[in-house]
Amino acid sequence: EIVLTQSPATLSLSPGERATLSCRASQSVSSYLAWYQHKPGQAPRLLIYDASNRATGIPARFSGSGSGTDFSLTISSLEPEDFAVYYCHQRHNGPETFGQGTNVEVK
Amino acid sequence: QVQLQESGPGLVKPSETLSLTCTVSGGSINNYYWSWLRQPPGKELEWIGWIYSSGSTNYNPSLKSRVTISVDTSKDQYSLKLTSVTAADTAVYHCARYFDAGGRHYLDVWGNGATVTVSS
Repeated sequence: EIVLTQSPATLSLSPGERATLSCRASQSVSSYLAWYQHKPGQAPRLLIYDASNRATGIPARFSGSGSGTDFSLTISSLEPEDFAVYYCHQRHNGPETFGQGTNVEVK
Repeated sequence: QVQLQESGPGLVKPSETLSLTCTVSGGSINNYYWSWLRQPPGKELEWIGWIYSSGSTNYNPSLKSRVTISVDTSKDQYSLKLTSVTAADTAVYHCARYFDAGGRHYLDVWGNGATVTVSS
């Protein structure tokens, strides 16, 4: 199965700062990668699909890039509601897999 | 707006069968793919399997021998059964819907999750 490795595990930033999260796949997933935001006790929220397409209703401060094995999610200016755990997800090949998550926390 | 709600026992004894139901509200279960996923404490999300509204299924090979997902379109519900559970099956279980992004499918609507603990 394809392993997704996210880095860093934790990102400590202040509101207004830029966040860059990384997701690396153990083999190519083409552009078939999604990003989710997850807050405790809530349903995960789809942010980005096909590596760079924003899902419906997602603010423009969220952007995704990459293809093949290296992907990134960028939050251009953190809002208070953006502090959460972010997961990448692939279903290009084999069983669907998720990264272990990046926790974006308040510095 | 489509919403999903997981329901079922929060405590299951070892060796017994875990059963959960996902109820779809605000929309129809027809013509979509639906998934079950779980997240054990301190671990990453794990895909369990999916079902199409017609009843076709696909399971994670790591769980395939123990998993059954079924659908009841008349009730807009689908269900998960996981047999012979152990403590390793303790997790938050989520149901979720796939949307079609031009032939590729991604999880766009999720339930909040149901905590299931396996313990005697």
